[in-house]
Amino acid sequence: KQEVTQIPAALSVPEGENLVLNCSFTDSAIYNLQWFRQDPGKGLTSLLLIQSSQREQTSGRLNASLDKSSGRSTLYIAASQPGDSATYLCAVRRSWSLGAQKLVFGQGTRLTINP
Amino acid sequence: NAGVTQTPKFQVLKTGQSMTLQCAQDMNHEYMSWYRQDPGMGLRLIHYSVGAGITDQGEVPNGYNVSRSTTEDFPLRLLSAAPSQTSVYFCASSPLLSGGNTGELFFGEGSRLTVL
Repeated sequence: KQEVTQIPAALSVPEGENLVLNCSFTDSAIYNLQWFRQDPGKGLTSLLLIQSSQREQTSGRLNASLDKSSGRSTLYIAASQPGDSATYLCAVRRSWSLGAQKLVFGQGTRLTINP
Repeated sequence: NAGVTQTPKFQVLKTGQSMTLQCAQDMNHEYMSWYRQDPGMGLRLIHYSVGAGITDQGEVPNGYNVSRSTTEDFPLRLLSAAPSQTSVYFCASSPLLSGGNTGELFFGEGSRLTVL
């Protein structure tokens, strides 16, 4: 059974710092991995999607990497801003050929950027 | 750019009542799904669909029914609400890719349900 873990559960840093959020998964047979952010009382917003054949994806100040063999992904946020404060979740998806058609989510990292 | 639209945003029910959470998407996505989000439990899949007329169960399907008569709509029905169904419900959709795999998942804003 696929399990996804995000450590730490909460992180507080001063504005302007570069930071890394971690996501680990137990089954390396994934199809893709997706990073989301969730603001309080809101839905999930997709940030980056990495296919299993890719090593990283970039969008603006965000960079996500994927190492399937070690079961790890990181989300790098450069020059953090107070507006980056949110909960960040990662989710992995198995290949359809393996009979699963769902995302398995981590519990999320609650990020606070202090002005 | 409506994306995924959920209604209602808030609902209070009494135990035993039934209701339907509505979900509509305008992106022509084949795949649609329902999740519930609970503190300490994360997001859990209730039901999903890979196209009109095709639905399947997720991790926590008991107490919920779904149907998919059109590509756009995927309603979630609570047949007899219980306090354990108090949660925030999210609908999500994505395109189907080659080999039946799903692409990027897009979420609605959520429906907060309280069962007394």
